Amino acid sequence: QKEVEQDPGPLSVPEGAIVSLNCTYSNSAFQYFMWYRQYSRKGPELLMYTYSSGNKEDGRFTAQVDKSSKYISLFIRDSQPSDSATYLCAGCIGTGNQFYFGTGTSLTVIP
Amino acid sequence: EAQVTQNPRYLITVTGKKLTVTCSQNMNHEYMSWYRQDPGLGLRQIYYSMNVEVTDKGDVPEGYKVSRKEKRNFPLILESPSPNQTSLYFCASSPTGGHGYTFGSGTRLTVV
Repeated sequence: QKEVEQDPGPLSVPEGAIVSLNCTYSNSAFQYFMWYRQYSRKGPELLMYTYSSGNKEDGRFTAQVDKSSKYISLFIRDSQPSDSATYLCAGCIGTGNQFYFGTGTSLTVIP
Repeated sequence: EAQVTQNPRYLITVTGKKLTVTCSQNMNHEYMSWYRQDPGLGLRQIYYSMNVEVTDKGDVPEGYKVSRKEKRNFPLILESPSPNQTSLYFCASSPTGGHGYTFGSGTRLTVV
């Protein structure tokens, strides 16, 4: 079983829609959770990181972690065509170096 | 500009010919790491380093070597590349692990 599971999509939404991206994980030792955005032919770019359970908001993006169900979510409000990318979730054991990534969800926002 | 710089961006080589992919960061980060990205498998960690002269294996270290002689540099060495090492490679750095990595732009390696 993979440490982090993510539906690959693709997901296609109209501009302005609310997007919900989700991951599940299996390792109870994960304490930090991240969301990355990756444009085609580019390296992943850190969007948000959260510690333990709870919500974190940054502009149009909200990250949510539910450790009881081992569920990670990213919500994008008022989605824009520039949000079209692959979104990767990741979990980290403690403050160490070992990150485990999902395979990514491809998102297209249609103007 | 704060960044992680990898070179080369593209590399085609033949089986068995030793190669090195360089990685340098200008953010004075303690942590550095190498990942490979393959379709359907996502990002998998090859090696990581928590400081100078401190390195450890990630999930897929076979066939790779690394060294961390200086804080800013973390080269990836393939002593005898094989076709199954054809992949997109990313170097990344972080001040501490829990705050996420800054990734380089990637090196697309093809081994024929």
